[in-house]
Amino acid sequence: QQQVKQSPQSLIVQKGGISIINCAYENTAFDYFPWYQQFPGKGPALLIAIRPDVSEKKEGRFTISFNKSAKQFSLHIMDSQPGDSATYFCAASKETSGSRLTFGEGTQLTVNP
Amino acid sequence: EPEVTQTPSHQVTQMGQEVILRCVPISNHLYFYWYRQILGQKVEFLVSFYNNEISEKSEIFDDQFSVERPDGSNFTLKIRSTKLEDSAMYFCASNGEPLANTIYFGEGSWLTVV
Repeated sequence: QQQVKQSPQSLIVQKGGISIINCAYENTAFDYFPWYQQFPGKGPALLIAIRPDVSEKKEGRFTISFNKSAKQFSLHIMDSQPGDSATYFCAASKETSGSRLTFGEGTQLTVNP
Repeated sequence: EPEVTQTPSHQVTQMGQEVILRCVPISNHLYFYWYRQILGQKVEFLVSFYNNEISEKSEIFDDQFSVERPDGSNFTLKIRSTKLEDSAMYFCASNGEPLANTIYFGEGSWLTVV
């Protein structure tokens, strides 16, 4: 009930390509869905987040698509760059103060020059 | 930009020893968390802390773990008697706005139990 499933586990794209990472959740009480980016040896850093009252959110090259009925959301990275190479985690939580984040398993993205 | 700071960055300890990991959350934040990440695995919630008490804890956070905010700025995680399986990166995190849910993570403390 609390799980967030993420795919693929790893992804290799060419510079300029589109990276797509997918997540699915089970708990319908979740109402906040962030994506975190993590570089080796660093903590996760918030990249972009969405709430279920919208189906899409775009910030620069990063877009979250959200399908409430399917309980799925995805991250699209347009014009992928080598500097985007990192591990990406989707997460979900209830939008109440102090709620825990439940993370997906992570996707290791490599963008080749 | 304000940040969550953690010390030590890396600690090696003998099995059975006590370990204290320290964190300084962002100064005006009210909610504090510990998460852990075993090498190559996902980030897992351990505990949340608000108003000087634990607000939620996971099944991982057993009696060997405790948290404290001793002086109004530091937030600590104590592992009483470390086990090999406690080896992981431990992340402190904080957030400050009700309903904003933007949780900021520190860079982590890498704990190796030998």
